[in-house]
Amino acid sequence: GNSVTQMEGPVTLSEEAFLTINCTYTATGYPSLFWYVQYPGEGLQLLLKATKADDKGSNKGFEATYRKETTSFHLEKGSVQVSDSAVYFCALLTTSGTYKYIFGTGTRLKVLA
Amino acid sequence: NAGVMQNPRHLVRRRGQEARLRCSPMKGHSHVYWYRQLPEEGLKFMVYLQKENIIDESGMPKERFSAEFPKEGPSILRIQQVVRGDSAAYFCASSPGSGVQETQYFGPGTRLLVL
Repeated sequence: GNSVTQMEGPVTLSEEAFLTINCTYTATGYPSLFWYVQYPGEGLQLLLKATKADDKGSNKGFEATYRKETTSFHLEKGSVQVSDSAVYFCALLTTSGTYKYIFGTGTRLKVLA
Repeated sequence: NAGVMQNPRHLVRRRGQEARLRCSPMKGHSHVYWYRQLPEEGLKFMVYLQKENIIDESGMPKERFSAEFPKEGPSILRIQQVVRGDSAAYFCASSPGSGVQETQYFGPGTRLLVL
């Protein structure tokens, strides 16, 4: 079946530190992969996506590369800011049957000034 | 272009009451998805609808839950005889079509609290 596994949080970093949030997936076919961010009390916002192997999604300094060989889509940012504090969700869009998201459990990031 | 709208943003119900959650998709989007987020968990797919049709309801509990997306008006997620375990955030998403390239855009969610 399809599933997404994320590293557990919370992750606490100092401002300007390097961020990595690991995400691995299991899927049939060739899913699209996404990172969504959720700020407190809000809905999910699309952060970045990649639709095929070796694609790199990027936005607001965040990057993730679709690695088919390791079935991974790790999120990275070179220098985090306090405003990046949020919950980050990795997700895949299934390609078998109807197209729906399978989400990871989320990783809470807290950035300290 | 307004985003996905959901109302109410917060809903409090007592056990046994009914909860109705509304979702207006983005303009031009005819595909609607409902997800549930339990406290400290990720989102779980519930149902996928197109106008007047339920396409996939594999994530819907078999009893008490129903969803519709009429020809006119918003999509409605209805929970009858709510129980405390229904307390969660319910998110609606929409997309212009269905396919592996389609991004789903999420609304702000309705946070349901059952007392």
